[in-house]
Amino acid sequence: QQQVKQSPQSLIVQKGGIPIINCAYENTAFDYFPWYQQFPGKGPALLIAIRPDVSEKKEGRFTISFNKSAKQFSLHIMDSQPGDSATYFCAALEETSGSRLTFGEGTQLTVNP
Amino acid sequence: KAGVTQTPRYLIKTRGQQVTLSCSPISGHRSVSWYQQTPGQGLQFLFEYFSETQRNKGNFPGRFSGRQFSNSRSEMNVSTLELGDSALYLCASSFLGVSNEKLFFGSGTQLSVL
Repeated sequence: QQQVKQSPQSLIVQKGGIPIINCAYENTAFDYFPWYQQFPGKGPALLIAIRPDVSEKKEGRFTISFNKSAKQFSLHIMDSQPGDSATYFCAALEETSGSRLTFGEGTQLTVNP
Repeated sequence: KAGVTQTPRYLIKTRGQQVTLSCSPISGHRSVSWYQQTPGQGLQFLFEYFSETQRNKGNFPGRFSGRQFSNSRSEMNVSTLELGDSALYLCASSFLGVSNEKLFFGSGTQLSVL
């Protein structure tokens, strides 16, 4: 049962472009939505996270947009660089579930020079 | 400060064998959780331990088990290995394992079952 759906599966952009990755969830008990970045041979690393009482959050070149009524959220990467080429995962967490993250399927991003 | 350390990095086993994977969390972290990552199923939660007690469990068969020691180090065990158990097993740690707390992942143990 996939409770967090992520798209697209892969994405190719040119350097300086703004890739956008989208996620949708069903469980209204989710109250914390992190994004992770994973490079080959490494574990996921937290990029940025948002709670549903906020519609947008920016950290550096990374922005999360959150639409609570539509149960959707997205990651935007401004001025993308070749070093941003990685797999990105959205995730969701219920407050009462400890560290039990539910992950999206992942998006493989390639930023061409 | 050392990150989350997982050993071994790679492991090759045959069907029917059992395997034990180890995870040392960041110093001071008391919550350790385990995830399975495969190309087909993505990242799936296995279980979480806090202060030596299992606090959460994912939808995996009983062949998958774990434990946590008093120093917060954790091990997970898979008995009677199946081909489908081939995966990257990731360990993550945090101070308390509560919502909005940053979770730190190790680099994982790549398990191949032949």
